Amino acid sequence: GAVVSQHPSWVICKSGTSVKIECRSLDFQATTMFWYRQFPKQSLMLMATSNEGSKATYEQGVEKDKFLINHASLTLSTLTVTSAHPEDSSFYICSARDGREYSNQPQHFGDGTRLSIL
Amino acid sequence: GQNIDQPTEMTATEGAIVQINCTYQTSGFNGLFWYQQHAGEAPTFLSYNVLDGLEEKGRFSSFLSRSKGYSYLLLKELQMKDSASYLCAVRDGGNTPLVFGKGTRLSVIA
Repeated sequence: GAVVSQHPSWVICKSGTSVKIECRSLDFQATTMFWYRQFPKQSLMLMATSNEGSKATYEQGVEKDKFLINHASLTLSTLTVTSAHPEDSSFYICSARDGREYSNQPQHFGDGTRLSIL
Repeated sequence: GQNIDQPTEMTATEGAIVQINCTYQTSGFNGLFWYQQHAGEAPTFLSYNVLDGLEEKGRFSSFLSRSKGYSYLLLKELQMKDSASYLCAVRDGGNTPLVFGKGTRLSVIA
């Protein structure tokens, strides 16, 4: 089945550091990937939709200059949290869907990245 | 706007049956998905409904009524490992991202 790989799994760093998270579709091409954020005991909140070869679409309230998204190829999207602060600490999860599949196919999720800013 | 409601928490006994309900109001509808998420892990896909009726997959079944904006996930023969959050998600368009409910935390007790 479709596999989405996300790296790193854990990041602990100091306030002000920029952190890059990678999301790869391993056995399919994903023209579109989605980035979610999840705070403890809350649901997944969509941050942005990443489109290969074009600018990402951000959800209302998500700062595009703080959360930089690059979707340079059909199998890789990156999310960079710039100048991270403690309030950015969260669980970040990427998701992708095989572009060839019909709409009844689910989004496949990466394993998530737990970001802790000290 | 988009609104997906499901109970926050449920508790059930090992070996029993539990039904987790989900109601939704979305601008469009192109399928409803159920995911399981264990603490600290990513969601895993359980089931998909786009037409009215029941979809059965082993111990898990999911039901959809589009006219009522209603779905449920039925878990049979509960096991301790079924303790997790269950997320209801709706796709409202062709290639739009899933919109998730807040999830139902299920605790299975002995």
